[in-house]
Amino acid sequence: EDQVTQSPEALRLQEGESSSLNCSYTVSGLRGLFWYRQDPGKGPEFLFTLYSAGEEKEKERLKATLTKKESFLHITAPKPEDSATYLCAVLNSNSGYALNFGKGTSLLVTP
Amino acid sequence: DTGVSQDPRHKITKRGQNVTFRCDPISEHNRLYWYRQTLGQGPEFLTYFQNEAQLEKSRLLSDRFSAERPKGSFSTLEIQRTEQGDSAMYLCASSLAAGRPSGEQFFGPGTRLTVL
Repeated sequence: EDQVTQSPEALRLQEGESSSLNCSYTVSGLRGLFWYRQDPGKGPEFLFTLYSAGEEKEKERLKATLTKKESFLHITAPKPEDSATYLCAVLNSNSGYALNFGKGTSLLVTP
Repeated sequence: DTGVSQDPRHKITKRGQNVTFRCDPISEHNRLYWYRQTLGQGPEFLTYFQNEAQLEKSRLLSDRFSAERPKGSFSTLEIQRTEQGDSAMYLCASSLAAGRPSGEQFFGPGTRLTVL
């Protein structure tokens, strides 16, 4: 059965303190790995799609990378407005169009 | 605003009552999804439509749950005989059918259900 595990569960950073969030996965036939941001009380907001090992995507202070076993979301010089829960999800060859989400990493960036 | 909209945003009901939620997807999107999210967990897939056809249903979707998408536009999710375990955020998402896997699903703000 597919598994998506995110670590750490929670992370507190000082403004400007760069770090990485991890998403490890075991799936049969990865079709895509997706990162979303979710603010409290709101729906997830799409950030990135990664399809194959070695692929990288960037958006402002965020950079997502993918290997055959895990993905990292690197946050460079974070700001308080980057505080949110970051969710990782996978599509596999057997899951149709159902995204399989991890539990997320709750990020707090303090001034 | 041309994003996914959901109504109502909040619903409080008593155990045993029926509830219905509505989702309006992004207008050009032909795929529509329902997910459920509880506190501290990621969203869990419930069901998926392509146009008006319901193509996938999770085993999480008990007989008390039914979803429709008449004419391939808006969708409704009904829960009959609600139970306290149904309390959750119900999220709707939509996407375009395209060459790549349709992981770029765009989510609505959700409907928070509380069953007393």
